[in-house]
Amino acid sequence: DVKVTQSSRYLVKRTGEKVFLECVQDMDHENMFWYRQDPGLGLRLIYFSYDVKMKEKGDIPEGYSVSREKKERFSLILESASTNQTSMYLCASRSTRYEKLFFGSGTQLSVL
Amino acid sequence: GESVGLHLPTLSVQEGDNSIINCAYSNSASDYFIWYKQESGKGPQFIIDIRSNMDKRQGQRVTVLLNKTVKHLSLQIAATQPGDSAVYFCAENNAGNMLTFGGGTRLMVKP
Repeated sequence: DVKVTQSSRYLVKRTGEKVFLECVQDMDHENMFWYRQDPGLGLRLIYFSYDVKMKEKGDIPEGYSVSREKKERFSLILESASTNQTSMYLCASRSTRYEKLFFGSGTQLSVL
Repeated sequence: GESVGLHLPTLSVQEGDNSIINCAYSNSASDYFIWYKQESGKGPQFIIDIRSNMDKRQGQRVTVLLNKTVKHLSLQIAATQPGDSAVYFCAENNAGNMLTFGGGTRLMVKP
């Protein structure tokens, strides 16, 4: 089975802190994605990556950046966390041959 | 842009009954559709998918129906169990090969 692992289930950070969310997948997938999930708004795409060192903005990239130095790892960075970035963050991956996404368990981030 | 929506935000069913969760989509060019289940505190899990050249696909206790004429997708769960309680999302794959997700429907199973 595909395993997408997010390093933290819960994080509490302070406003202005730099925050790193890590995601690792074990199926050699080329594509990786970061979403945020908020009540009533569904899943919104922040950034995605087609391959190593490649990144593309999603629908809501403001306030975020990403890093993909290795194929299996995709990091989401909040340069200066703000309270409106309190949310559930979901990482996903997929092969280029298929449309199906495989999700991690999510990281619930609270910015105080 | 395209939208994928659900008719009911919450669905409550009796254990043992069949459940039907509906989804409307607006992009007639979408060629692939997928349903996910998300339990509390977990990430979305794949349930079933269907391509636009099909009308129906069955899995274990689940069936997805696609009506391209009215751009409607539904997920049917047979003999609903307490473990089926979750939020269910539909998503469509658009021309850019990206999944667009609906807002989700919460399924509550009454014992």
